[in-house]
Amino acid sequence: EAGVAQSPRYKIIEKRQSVAFWCNPISGHATLYWYQQILGQGPKLLIQFQNNGVVDDSQLPKDRFSAERLKGVDSTLKIQPAKLEDSAVYLCASSLGLVRPTEAFFGQGTRLTVV
Amino acid sequence: DQQVKQNSPSLSVQEGRISILNCDYTNSMFDYFLWYKKYPAEGPTFLISISSIKDKNEDGRFTVFLNKSAKHLSLHIVPSQPGDSAVYFCAASDLGGNQFYFGTGTSLTVIP
Repeated sequence: EAGVAQSPRYKIIEKRQSVAFWCNPISGHATLYWYQQILGQGPKLLIQFQNNGVVDDSQLPKDRFSAERLKGVDSTLKIQPAKLEDSAVYLCASSLGLVRPTEAFFGQGTRLTVV
Repeated sequence: DQQVKQNSPSLSVQEGRISILNCDYTNSMFDYFLWYKKYPAEGPTFLISISSIKDKNEDGRFTVFLNKSAKHLSLHIVPSQPGDSAVYFCAASDLGGNQFYFGTGTSLTVIP
């Protein structure tokens, strides 16, 4: 079974530039998550999709971050414009859970450095 | 507001001995708990879970204990192996909740 695929693995950009990350979840997984993990901290949820609908985006900085999940499969997360404090690993995860959370499977993440 | 806390940033254990990783939570509505293991440059991988109707769950060398009254869970690894060296995160969610709340992680080093 293929895992969660993310690209790119690494990205370095200057502040005020824009960047986009892509995620392909495990086939059949209805729920998709984007997490931000700052160095030394645990993953923090940015947005959660169930199929192609947003379930929770309460911690997404909507003035600069946006995400979509077209057709309920792949997802992209965009930052525009980036700030220095956005430097982090961005993790995509997916799970089967429809009624309640089940274990989520994570991709390898995209390490973003904003300089 | 950190609802899930791992107060030990690091732990070193001799190979063959027991590793005990601890996790505390503040939200009494949490009823499902998970442990994840993370190697450098990789995403977290699911290790073991426990629901609040149990106080113990075992999977091979890994056992998770849940003390609901103390809002505390622990992960026991017996015997510890060098390949267990990684960062371990605990996470929690509540019934009907939509997200996992993660702790800050404990870096385990198993010394050969």
